[in-house]
This record gives sequence, C-alpha cells and structure tokens, in this order.
Amino acid sequence: NAGVTQTPKFRVLKTGQSMTLLCAQDMNHEYMYWYRQDPGMGLRLIHYSVGEGTTAKGEVPDGYNVSRLKKQNFLLGLESAAPSQTSVYFCASSYPRGFGANVLTFGAGSRLTVL
Amino acid sequence: DQQVKQNSPSLSVQEGRISILNCDYTNSMFDYFLWYKKYPAEGPTFLISISSIKDKNEDGRFTVFLNKSAKHLSLHIVPSQPGDSAVYFCAFKPDEEKLVFGKGTKLTVNP
Repeated sequence: NAGVTQTPKFRVLKTGQSMTLLCAQDMNHEYMYWYRQDPGMGLRLIHYSVGEGTTAKGEVPDGYNVSRLKKQNFLLGLESAAPSQTSVYFCASSYPRGFGANVLTFGAGSRLTVL
Repeated sequence: DQQVKQNSPSLSVQEGRISILNCDYTNSMFDYFLWYKKYPAEGPTFLISISSIKDKNEDGRFTVFLNKSAKHLSLHIVPSQPGDSAVYFCAFKPDEEKLVFGKGTKLTVNP
C-alpha cells in the first residue's frame, strides 16, 4: 500500500522556469493538501481540495496553481519559479469528516531549489 | 496572525527523562488539537490528539494536556528515547476543511 506518493523527490529550477509536482494517493481520500516547509516557518498550507474538480486557497497560495482532475491526484504547478519558492513541498490527504479528517497522511516530500 | 504558537524552536533532554513540548493558541473555537511528528527526509506523521472537551489524553509514553483557560497545549513524553528525536508540530482545525500547523519544536534526546 503506497499511501501518498510525490514526484519528483528533488528538482532544481532556474528562475522563471515552470514545473509541476504530482501527488497521488491510493486511499480513496476525499481531501488533499499541498504544504510547504521552510526553516523556522513550520508547515504552511498552499492550496487544498475537498473533492475531485474542486480547489481552494490556503495561507500562501501566490505563485502556485493546482488541479484535481482525478480524485487520486493533486497537482501543484509553478508557472514562473522564483527563488522564494525554494522549499520542501508536502502533499497530504485525509477523509472528509469525523476524526479521520484530522489524521492527514503525508507524502515523503519534494525538495525544490530555484536558482 | 499566528493562531497557534510553538515558542521553543528546540529542546534537548537526556534519555529516560521527561520531554515537555508546548503550544499556545489564540482561538477557542477548535474541536481537536493534534500533535504530529516529523523525522528528517520524511513526511509528518500523526502522533496523538485531544478533543477540546477533554483536558488529557494518554497513549503509551505520550500524554497531551489541554488547559483551556490558559489556551495552552502540551505534549509530555515519558521516558524520552533517542528515537523520539524529531520535529514536533502542534496543529488544529480552524474549520472542517483545513489543518493549521505551528512552526514546530525540534526535540533532541541524548543517549
């Protein structure tokens, strides 16, 4: 059982380049999330989705776009990468309600460096 | 504005002693508070939680205490083990859809 899988694990970009991070989950979770982790800043929510075809903004959405075309996949896009987007990105998923909604399952992270 | 604060970036304790990690919050309208644990190069994993209607929840070596009057949450680890060395995040749900994390406290348990 894979859980939450993120690809790629590492990527180096030049300023202005674009890229997409892919998150796939096999737990039939309704909710999916993208967080970024920066030193001293903890985990900050970028965007999230409460179901196939839906997306919503989190705390730090600027510079990112997302899509949830299939229930199991949640894509995070950077249209024009900036050095401030150098970070470790985590995808997570959960059930929609009840206590299970509190227990997010996270992927192993994607480390992105923008030069 | 930070709704949940972990004021200690790091904590170092000796193996076998108690580790106490703290978290302060501002908004009282939460159903659950949670603690997540994160090892380097891995994603965070759920550790323990507490309902807002309780003041204590215990799971093995881990106990979470909630002081609603002080708006304070703490995680006790007894006895601490070297394998507990990790970053610990407190978290809460401001609404049904999102989970918001604190900045984390790095715990180091020395053998």
